Amino acid sequence: DAGVIQSPRHEVTEMGQEVTLRCKPISGHNSLFWYRQTMMRGLELLIYFNNNVPIDDSGMPEDRFSAKMPNASFSTLKIQPSEPRDSAVYFCASTPTTGVNTEAFFGQGTRLTVV
Amino acid sequence: GENVEQHPSTLSVQEGDSAVIKCTYSDSASNYFPWYKQELGKRPQLIIDIRSNVGEKKDQRIAVTLNKTAKHFSLHITETQPEDSAVYFCAAGTGGFKTIFGAGTRLFVKA
Repeated sequence: DAGVIQSPRHEVTEMGQEVTLRCKPISGHNSLFWYRQTMMRGLELLIYFNNNVPIDDSGMPEDRFSAKMPNASFSTLKIQPSEPRDSAVYFCASTPTTGVNTEAFFGQGTRLTVV
Repeated sequence: GENVEQHPSTLSVQEGDSAVIKCTYSDSASNYFPWYKQELGKRPQLIIDIRSNVGEKKDQRIAVTLNKTAKHFSLHITETQPEDSAVYFCAAGTGGFKTIFGAGTRLFVKA
């Protein structure tokens, strides 16, 4: 398995534009997490899904952020409109649901820069 | 809500010395405590984890301890090497598979 795959790896966009980040979890993993990493706040959990259903989105900072998981192999995180303070590295991670907490496998991340 | 605090934010040690990173958590329902290492420009990767029914776990130069009563856990790295330089994250996993991370510790090992 190629692991968790995120695209794009880098994104530079102008303030006000819509940004869509994509994630393909490891096959067979049915929990998926979106994290945002900044120097100041570390790794923040934005939202997570279990069996394609959003379980907890309390970490989503504003209504400008939205996430979907239309099927078991694909998720998107959308920011509309984007702002310079959204600049960060966004990680997607997946875990198998075995009844207990277990290791999260991270993608390579998307480095977002909003100018 | 759930919270994980991590200290120190930066740690500098001499090669061969030990490094200790400490974390506290707020949710008493937390039952899983992983530690991740993130090298520069790379993704976080699990290095060791401990579950709530265990007080200590060791893997070569790395050990973790857990005090459930006090709600704190620690990472110990002995005989540090330059390749140990990275950012280390502690985390606490609660029921429902929600994992909350600490803010990270940037470890520098000086040769």
